[in-house]
Amino acid sequence: AQSVTQPDIHITVSEGASLELRCNYSYGATPYLFWYVQSPGQGLQLLLKYFSGDTLVQGIKGFEAEFKRSQSSFNLRKPSVHWSDAAEYFCAVVPPNAGKSTFGDGTTLTVKP
Amino acid sequence: DTEVTQTPKHLVMGMTNKKSLKCEQHMGHRAMYWYKQKAKKPPELMFVYSYEKLSINESVPSRFSPECPNSSLLNLHLHALQPEDSALYLCASSQAASGGVRDTQYFGPGTRLTVL
Repeated sequence: AQSVTQPDIHITVSEGASLELRCNYSYGATPYLFWYVQSPGQGLQLLLKYFSGDTLVQGIKGFEAEFKRSQSSFNLRKPSVHWSDAAEYFCAVVPPNAGKSTFGDGTTLTVKP
Repeated sequence: DTEVTQTPKHLVMGMTNKKSLKCEQHMGHRAMYWYKQKAKKPPELMFVYSYEKLSINESVPSRFSPECPNSSLLNLHLHALQPEDSALYLCASSQAASGGVRDTQYFGPGTRLTVL
């Protein structure tokens, strides 16, 4: 069955530390891949997306993500986390020709001072 | 401009009330979406409109009635809701909804709905 998995429900990092949030997908063909961030009570903000080409994509707020076809993964990274990065992070996929997104269950990021 | 606006921000309604949620975008997008999101959960797709026609209905109860009056506006009419319908309702838009590169969705801030 087609699915999107974010293995980490909750991650806590210290401010200034590096961050990696994992996302794995299971589809027959490579889907289009997205990362969104959601602050409490807010809508989702697009951080970055991957359609094709360079497998390392840069996004807003200093985030980047790397697509690895062999691992069916699209992990989100940031070299130095800021307290304002504390939020819920969702990975999403759009299968080719599908017309709708499937979201992972999300990862809650807590940032320690 | 990548803004999607939603009104109202908060809505409290009784189970016998009729209310509407409104979503607007001026990015020239031809696909618009309604999502329902419960706390600590991902958004759940409810409806997709493509070129002002309903293209996807994810088996949503009839007490939710979407409407797309024009390419910039999307409404969600609510009637006889249940307390379990309380949630954050998110609207999104994209250039298209065809499973291609134009499917990047931009979300509004949501309407926080409470059903008493």
